[in-house]
Amino acid sequence: LAKTTQPISMDSYEGQEVNITCSHNNIATNDYITWYQQFPSQGPRFIIQGYKTKVTNEVASLFIPADRKSSTLSLPRVSLSDTAVYYCLVGAGSNNAGNMLTFGGGTRLMVKP
Amino acid sequence: DVKVTQSSRYLVKRTGEKVFLECVQDMDHENMFWYRQDPGLGLRLIYFSYDVKMKEKGDIPEGYSVSREKKERFSLILESASTNQTSMYLCASIGQVLREQYFGPGTRLTVT
Repeated sequence: LAKTTQPISMDSYEGQEVNITCSHNNIATNDYITWYQQFPSQGPRFIIQGYKTKVTNEVASLFIPADRKSSTLSLPRVSLSDTAVYYCLVGAGSNNAGNMLTFGGGTRLMVKP
Repeated sequence: DVKVTQSSRYLVKRTGEKVFLECVQDMDHENMFWYRQDPGLGLRLIYFSYDVKMKEKGDIPEGYSVSREKKERFSLILESASTNQTSMYLCASIGQVLREQYFGPGTRLTVT
């Protein structure tokens, strides 16, 4: 079961790019890397998912090096509304949910004006 | 849009009561999950189910049981609620394409 390690918290300012790195040293061959965002009193919300190299969508980019032992979520030009907890999740690489999904502690991002 | 709903947003129960938390998803997903979330501990997986009548223990199943009689519904049961089960409970189902989890809004349970 691949565990993840993320910084507990990060501070940034509006308009800056934010990079949050997650370590997952024992990621399995068929594991995907998924990032979620969570606001207080809400369930987590999917942001982005990748397997290798780089993935980009309208919200964020995800960079995954060749060894896949880490990944970096990149949020371009953050705003105050990006203040949230961000979770890195590794797993769900097969159609069998016996590959359990375990959340790490998450990174609390604080965006300041 | 995928929708995952939970029966209550807030619930207050007494110690020793039997508690049912219901979760319904409308996207025909096979896999469903129950987590609890506590300050400083992140999300912890209690149970999951990959098909009707199938269930698997997660990281912290003690004190809980689950029921999956229909594909769209996954219930979490606290047979005898205790104060250390006061928490936010989150249900999720997983998509088949991107494998992302869709979460419900959560149920904040207080056991007094």
